[in-house]
Amino acid sequence: DADVTQTPRNRITKTGKRIMLECSQTKGHDRMYWYRQDPGLGLRLIYYSFDVKDINKGEISDGYSVSRQAQAKFSLSLESAIPNQTALYFCATSASRGTDTQYFGPGTRLTVL
Amino acid sequence: DQQVKQNSPSLSVQEGRISILNCDYTNSMFDYFLWYKKYPAEGPTFLISISSIKDKNEDGRFTVFLNKSAKHLSLHIVPSQPGDSAVYFCAASAHTDKLIFGTGTRLQVFP
Repeated sequence: DADVTQTPRNRITKTGKRIMLECSQTKGHDRMYWYRQDPGLGLRLIYYSFDVKDINKGEISDGYSVSRQAQAKFSLSLESAIPNQTALYFCATSASRGTDTQYFGPGTRLTVL
Repeated sequence: DQQVKQNSPSLSVQEGRISILNCDYTNSMFDYFLWYKKYPAEGPTFLISISSIKDKNEDGRFTVFLNKSAKHLSLHIVPSQPGDSAVYFCAASAHTDKLIFGTGTRLQVFP
């Protein structure tokens, strides 16, 4: 079984709809992250959480919110989706200390029409 | 402002030859650098890293070189294999777990 899972893997939605992307991990890591990937722009950090009570904005948090329901679960919400949020979204985890290595989920391809 | 830059969007190399992927950065506070590899329909996977106190780190066919004065790092793959065909991202961090990624270089290794 994969250590970091994301659901759904693909989603098509319409402008204005609320959508939630979910991430679960079995690695026992405290730190979790949400990124988006756009062609030519690499991976950009949306939100990150160093533990259940710690949530921080990344470089492109506008239009997004997150919830850390448990150590193993970190959800990303788009309250009112817009077309320029069409992208590939990745969740990642890392250990609590001593390493910057992050482990990524398989990604969610989101299309907003 | 792009703090981590990969100026070559793509690279094509013959099997058995060396692949050299380059990355430049602007933030002198970066102290840890990583390379990730990404296949289609999968998440990025960690490949190799280097601390700013070193100038070289080697792991099998993969070697990362760091030139702090030039703010430049490179990934060498020798010999290149068709299975190395993927998108490679360099990333950097400054005393935190927040990674700043480059835009990626697509490597194609042909027979």
